[in-house]
Amino acid sequence: EPEVTQTPSHQVTQMGQEVILRCVPISNHLYFYWYRQILGQKVEFLVSFYNNEISEKSEIFDDQFSVERPDGSNFTLKIRSTKLEDSAMYFCASERAGGGRGGYTFGSGTRLTVV
Amino acid sequence: QKEVEQNSGPLSVPEGAIASLNCTYSDRGSQSFFWYRQYSGKSPELIMFIYSNGDKEDGRFTAQLNKASQYVSLLIRDSQPSDSATYLCAVKYNFNKFYFGSGTKLNVKP
Repeated sequence: EPEVTQTPSHQVTQMGQEVILRCVPISNHLYFYWYRQILGQKVEFLVSFYNNEISEKSEIFDDQFSVERPDGSNFTLKIRSTKLEDSAMYFCASERAGGGRGGYTFGSGTRLTVV
Repeated sequence: QKEVEQNSGPLSVPEGAIASLNCTYSDRGSQSFFWYRQYSGKSPELIMFIYSNGDKEDGRFTAQLNKASQYVSLLIRDSQPSDSATYLCAVKYNFNKFYFGSGTKLNVKP
């Protein structure tokens, strides 16, 4: 069964450093998402992406965050200057067609630890 | 503010029993309702979704939706120890993004 893959599985970075989290969505999918989950808290929406542009973003997704689809397969989340409170699990997801009632599949996640 | 509320648990049931998980949501414009299972340190795994009032069954799982009461539930029949996990209720808005509840931790005791 096709799956969304994320790398790395765990990243440790120093506060103030830039990090790039990578995702390979399912190949024929067109809509892409990032969510995050701080330990012990809810899964929170960050951003949705379609047709090479952001379609929606949450309040969390400030100027420190950016997303990109640099080639036909990867979908990346960049945090420019990490803060301690960015420590969380980050999940990527994709859908073939947006606007549907169905759910989407999450990747296995990247655990980001900012020290 | 779109809220999705769940009891955090833990909910403990013996093996073979029915586990009942509940969720309420605040926005009447919500369109689709989902149950995800999450094991510790892992990503959410979709169990099932429902968008019409009533019941939807899939194997040992039954989702129930009551839009008038803004209430969604998940029943797990013949609970197994492997069902022990946190169950996340999620609501889809604008046919796009999810709002998640904080999850109910289920313990199934052998």
